[in-house]
Formats: sequence, structure tokens, C-alpha cells
Amino acid sequence: DGGITQSPKYLFRKEGQNVTLSCEQNLNHDAMYWYRQDPGQGLRLIYYSQIVNDFQKGDIAEGYSVSREKKESFPLTVTSAQKNPTAFYLCASSRELYGYTFGSGTRLTVV
Amino acid sequence: KNEVEQSPQNLTAQEEEFITINCSYSVGISALHWLQQHPGGGIVSLFMLSSGKKKHGRLIATINIQEKHSSLHITASHPRDSAVYICAVTGSARQLTFGSGTQLTVLP
Repeated sequence: DGGITQSPKYLFRKEGQNVTLSCEQNLNHDAMYWYRQDPGQGLRLIYYSQIVNDFQKGDIAEGYSVSREKKESFPLTVTSAQKNPTAFYLCASSRELYGYTFGSGTRLTVV
Repeated sequence: KNEVEQSPQNLTAQEEEFITINCSYSVGISALHWLQQHPGGGIVSLFMLSSGKKKHGRLIATINIQEKHSSLHITASHPRDSAVYICAVTGSARQLTFGSGTQLTVLP
């Protein structure tokens, strides 16, 4: 079945360390997105990519980096520059007129 | 002011009750989405609509473009419907703008 796979589901990181969250889709969607969710708040866009080898900053890109070397993959790196990285991270993909598909999320905790 | 406002923020209902969740938006949109988020965190897309009404099982979504308003209805609610329901809109840049969600609890 087609879908989006995010891994890992739970991730713990020490302060000062970079960590990479994986997002893979087999839906042949062109666009992929990373969102951050904090308790009681709506999802906020971190980065998005509408085509391979191209990506754009979203509303809260500071302290994050991405790559889009393959259509299927859009990994997110949370760098040590991100001041408050503990959050729930969701990956999504879309194809025009077909709506969005979301992953199951990664809960990152900085310890 | 948020671009997408949902009401209510929290809703508790008894099983079999008819439920309505409202969404108002302040920007021009190409589509409106209703999403469901279960306690584990994963999100499922329920509806994408740009006009009129859509129905899937016990769920009905309506949109009024002139009034910039959408509603999600659940008929004959069941405890398994308990989740966070999120309204989101797609603007001209094809980006999603999300509401803060409605926490629905259906009691047996």
C-alpha cells in the first residue's frame, strides 16, 4: 500500500546534538512538507519541497535543514541551533488536486 | 488574528449525538481540508473540498465560500470518533494553513 513512512516514532537527543528525522513516500507525490506541532498549537510549516533538488523555507525554518535528493525522500535535520526542538514532527506529501497524505509523526525529546 | 479559526476548542458528547465543528477562515483559498488526529499523533485526511458538500459514512463536510466558513458534522457519534479534528486551508501558494484543532471526546 502507498503511504508515508516516518521514522523513528520516538527520538531522544542530548542538547547540542544534531538529529535527522526520516520521511519516505511511495505515492509518487511531487511535493513534500515538514511540520512542527506543539501542544495546543496548530501545525507550523518548517520546510517544503515541490520538486527534487529544490526546497523552500517555511514559517519556522531556523535551526532546521533539509535535503531532497530523491523524489521519495525528504529528511529533516534538527540542528543544535534550534533553541527549543522538543516537539512532534509531521511529514506530508501532496499531488495537485489529490490532497495531502500525512505520516504518523516523530516525537522528539531533548534530554 | 489567526487565518483559520475553529470552534469549539473542546467538545464532549454522548454516544449517538449529532456533532458539529466549525471552521472560519480569512484568506482566499483553493481548497479546505478536514483532518483527524488520533492520540498517537498520526493524521488522516478526511475531506478536501472547494465547494458544496461531501459525505463519507457518518461524516459530512460543507463549505460556504462566500461566508468563508466550513462545518464538519458527525452523525450518530461513537467513542471511536474521539480525536482532534483539524481544519486547514490551501492558499494560492499551495501551502496548508492549519487551525488549532478541536478536541472531541465521545462518551459511551
